[in-house]
Amino acid sequence: GAGVSQSPRYKVAKRGQDVALRCDPISGHVSLFWYQQALGQGPEFLTYFQNEAQLDKSGLPSDRFFAERPEGSVSTLKIQRTQQEDSAVYLCASSLVQSGNTIYFGEGSWLTVV
Amino acid sequence: EDQVTQSPEALRLQEGESSSLNCSYTVSGLRGLFWYRQDPGKGPEFLFTLYSAGEEKEKERLKATLTKKESFLHITAPKPEDSATYLCAVVGPEGGGKFQFGAGTQVVVTP
Repeated sequence: GAGVSQSPRYKVAKRGQDVALRCDPISGHVSLFWYQQALGQGPEFLTYFQNEAQLDKSGLPSDRFFAERPEGSVSTLKIQRTQQEDSAVYLCASSLVQSGNTIYFGEGSWLTVV
Repeated sequence: EDQVTQSPEALRLQEGESSSLNCSYTVSGLRGLFWYRQDPGKGPEFLFTLYSAGEEKEKERLKATLTKKESFLHITAPKPEDSATYLCAVVGPEGGGKFQFGAGTQVVVTP
């Protein structure tokens, strides 16, 4: 497809379970971003890759959150030992180049921790 | 810290009733200001990018403008299909794609 693809779209995890969220960016897009969106709020930055390099991970809320993009294309956001406060929509976005260029979002992965 | 404030939080309009949404920001060295539309259960959909004060962009019933401290999204003669949450985001001088989003304005247009 032409857009950013995310999977799973919906995930229910038991507290303490590990989850992995996948993002397939737009073909040829160099930069990839992960954002977290709570209900009624704007997206909050988590982390950013340029190709396979993770250039900024300042928004990751704890060391339970880990993101990778080993081949500079598909990315995975992993959350270990999920907590209820991790419940949110996790949005992936990509852009052709970095820094101020328009980013295009996927539909998001809705995570509910019970 | 860079801040983005959107107002109003919610807006209810009659079909055809034009209005404006505000996005005020505090960032030095703005690299770009972005408007997105978000429908329930969907990811944000790109609308406009503005880079410098005085710039304007238009698309159908929407028009975005930018000053040194704020941006406006004007909705002219809205239709029910314009109902959505409108998000504003800025990128500061550090760039890197770290978009700072506002909380959004939820717009409902009734027939």
